[in-house]
Amino acid sequence: DIQMTQSPSTLSVSVGDRVTITCRASQIIRTWLSWYQQKPGKAPNLLIYKASSLQSGVPSRFSGSGSGTEFTLTISSLQPDDFAIYYCQQYNSYPYTFGQGTKVEIK
Amino acid sequence: EVHLLESGGGFVQPGESLRLSCVASGFTFSTYAMSWVRQAPGKGLEWVSAIRGSGGITFYADSVKGLFTISRDNSKNTLYLQMNSLRAEDTAVYFCAKDDNSLDSWGQGTLVTVSS
Repeated sequence: DIQMTQSPSTLSVSVGDRVTITCRASQIIRTWLSWYQQKPGKAPNLLIYKASSLQSGVPSRFSGSGSGTEFTLTISSLQPDDFAIYYCQQYNSYPYTFGQGTKVEIK
Repeated sequence: EVHLLESGGGFVQPGESLRLSCVASGFTFSTYAMSWVRQAPGKGLEWVSAIRGSGGITFYADSVKGLFTISRDNSKNTLYLQMNSLRAEDTAVYFCAKDDNSLDSWGQGTLVTVSS
């Protein structure tokens, strides 16, 4: 199975900050990577697919980059609504696997 | 608009069975693969199982292989997860998701609690 490792586990940030979350795959997954945002008690919401494609309706302050085994989610200027947990997920092959999550919290 | 509605969760004892359902609307159900993803209390996301649009091909996480069975009824736009021999570690919220490689739409989830 492909292992996905996110860093950091927690980010303490302020509104307006630039946020970067990293995800590493244990083997090459080309660009078959998604990013999700999850708020407490809610289902995850797809932000980015195919490593860098913005899902319809997602604000442009979210962006993704990377290929192969190294990927990044960037929030250009954090807004109050962005405090949440973020997960990466590979879909290069089944079983799909998720990173352990990065909690973005208020500093 | 895509809508997914799970049901069938509940409280069961270890060793018992449960069947989850997910009714889909807003897209051509038979065209898409579907996945189940679970989340134990306070934990991260764990993909559980997937099924191709035709229903002929299925995939499972090692943690549920041989215990859970995914199926679908395209005439009813419904996805199922039959869970047998449930264990305490299966306690989680179970989400169904439209699987267009990315999981682009999710239901609200149904809680399964396994405890004696």
